[in-house]
Amino acid sequence: GAGVSQSPSNKVTEKGKDVELRCDPISGHTALYWYRQSLGQGLEFLIYFQGNSAPDKSGLPSDRFSAERTGGSVSTLTIQRTQQEDSAVYLCASSLAGQSLAKNIQYFGAGTRLSVL
Amino acid sequence: AQKVTQAQTEISVVEKEDVTLDCVYETRDTTYYLFWYKQPPSGELVFLIRRNSFDEQNEISGRYSWNFQKSTSSFNFTITASQVVDSAVYFCALSAVGTYKYIFGTGTRLKVLA
Repeated sequence: GAGVSQSPSNKVTEKGKDVELRCDPISGHTALYWYRQSLGQGLEFLIYFQGNSAPDKSGLPSDRFSAERTGGSVSTLTIQRTQQEDSAVYLCASSLAGQSLAKNIQYFGAGTRLSVL
Repeated sequence: AQKVTQAQTEISVVEKEDVTLDCVYETRDTTYYLFWYKQPPSGELVFLIRRNSFDEQNEISGRYSWNFQKSTSSFNFTITASQVVDSAVYFCALSAVGTYKYIFGTGTRLKVLA
C-alpha cells in the first residue's frame, strides 16, 4: 500500500483478555518497528524487526507482550492478559532498511488506540 | 546516553503568528541524525525533516524552517505565519548514525487559533 496501515484503529477490551494488533508496512520496507505512546508521553520503543527476525526486543514491557512478523511483511503485536496500564496508542513504523544510514527514515501508521477497561 | 527534551508541553498562538518549537538533545555520538515529525489529530506521525549532524545549514521549506546549532545541541523548528492546519503535536527525535533506534522527545502540542 501507499503507507503503513494499522488495524484496528480502536480496540476496547476487558482486563485479562488477549488482543492482537496488526501492522502492514510500506511495500518493500524490510525494517519494522513498534512503539507505544501513552497519554502525554513521547514514543516508547517496543521492538524492531529486520525481515522476519527481531534483533531487538528490549522495549517489550513484560512477557505478556510478543510480536511476530511473517513473510517480511505484516506484523502482529500480541498482548496477553491485558491490564489497564496497557491502555495506550500503539504505533507501527517501517523503513527501507534498519541500519543503512541514508535509508533509515521511519514512516508511521496512524496507530491503534487500545483501551483496557 | 541519548536524550531529547522538548520543554514546551503546549503552545497556543493566533493564526498568522510565527511560532518556534524548541528541541534540545544529548548524545555522546559524533555522528547522528535529528528528525521532526508532525502528529495531527488523525494520529499518524508525518515525517517533516531529517538533519545530519555534519550539516549545520539551516533549512527552509515553505513556511517551515529549522535551526540546527551544534554548539547548543538544539534543533529548533519555526513555523512562519501559522495556520489552523498546523495544529498538531510535534515530535523531535534523535538517532545515532548506523542504528535504527529513534529517541523521541515528549512532543509539543501546538494549537493555532483562528
